[in-house]
Amino acid sequence: AQSVTQLDSQVPVFEEAPVELRCNYSSSVSVYLFWYVQYPNQGLQLLLKYLSGSTLVESINGFEAEFNKSQTSFHLRKPSVHISDTAEYFCAVSLGGYNKLIFGAGTRLAVHP
Amino acid sequence: EAGVAQSPRYKIIEKRQSVAFWCNPISGHATLYWYQQILGQGPKLLIQFQNNGVVDDSQLPKDRFSAERLKGVDSTLKIQPAKLEDSAVYLCASSLGQGTDTQYFGPGTRLTVL
Repeated sequence: AQSVTQLDSQVPVFEEAPVELRCNYSSSVSVYLFWYVQYPNQGLQLLLKYLSGSTLVESINGFEAEFNKSQTSFHLRKPSVHISDTAEYFCAVSLGGYNKLIFGAGTRLAVHP
Repeated sequence: EAGVAQSPRYKIIEKRQSVAFWCNPISGHATLYWYQQILGQGPKLLIQFQNNGVVDDSQLPKDRFSAERLKGVDSTLKIQPAKLEDSAVYLCASSLGQGTDTQYFGPGTRLTVL
C-alpha cells in the first residue's frame, strides 16, 4: 500500500528566508507526486506535480520540488518566502489509473515579518 | 470558469441525526471525488465517480454513508445516522478524466457532530 509522510507538522520562518517542506512516500510501484496548497478559508489548489521527465518541477510562484527516487522523497523548496505563502501544504501520491490521491497529514507554513 | 461548488459551507448536527452535502463539479468534468478531512489529517478519499458510476468506494463506511451522482453531474453525500467521529471537512473535487488529470477542489463543508 502507498503512504505519504510529511515530517514537519508546522514550519515557522521569517519573510525572505528559504524554506524546505519535507515529504517522503512509500510505494512498491511507480507513483506520481503532487503538492497541494490550502490558503486560509480556501479550497485545496494544485501547486505542482511530477509525472515523468525532469525530476525538478517548478510552480508559477517560485516553489520547486525535486523527485528523488532513491530516497523516495519529493521535498518542496522556496529560496525566499513571502507573507502570502502562509498556508497549509499537502504532499500526495497517485498511481495514475483511477487517479486516487493519497495525502500526507500536511505542513502548516507560517511566514513571519 | 466556475469552480467546484459545495453547500452548505457549515453544518452542526447532533449525533444520530442525518445530514446531506451537495456538490456541483466543474462543467464537463467526468470524474467526481468526495474526500473526508479530519482535523490534523490529510484528505482521505471516500468515493470516486466516473460519470454516474462508482469506480472506488473502498473507504466509504457504507453502513452510514451513501453517495449518488444522478445524471453524471451533481452529487450528494449523505450520512445517516451521524456519529461524533464524523466531525470533519467534506471536500468535493472533480477532474476531466482519470489517470493523472488535475483534481480541482471545492471549498468544503465543515461538519460538527455534537
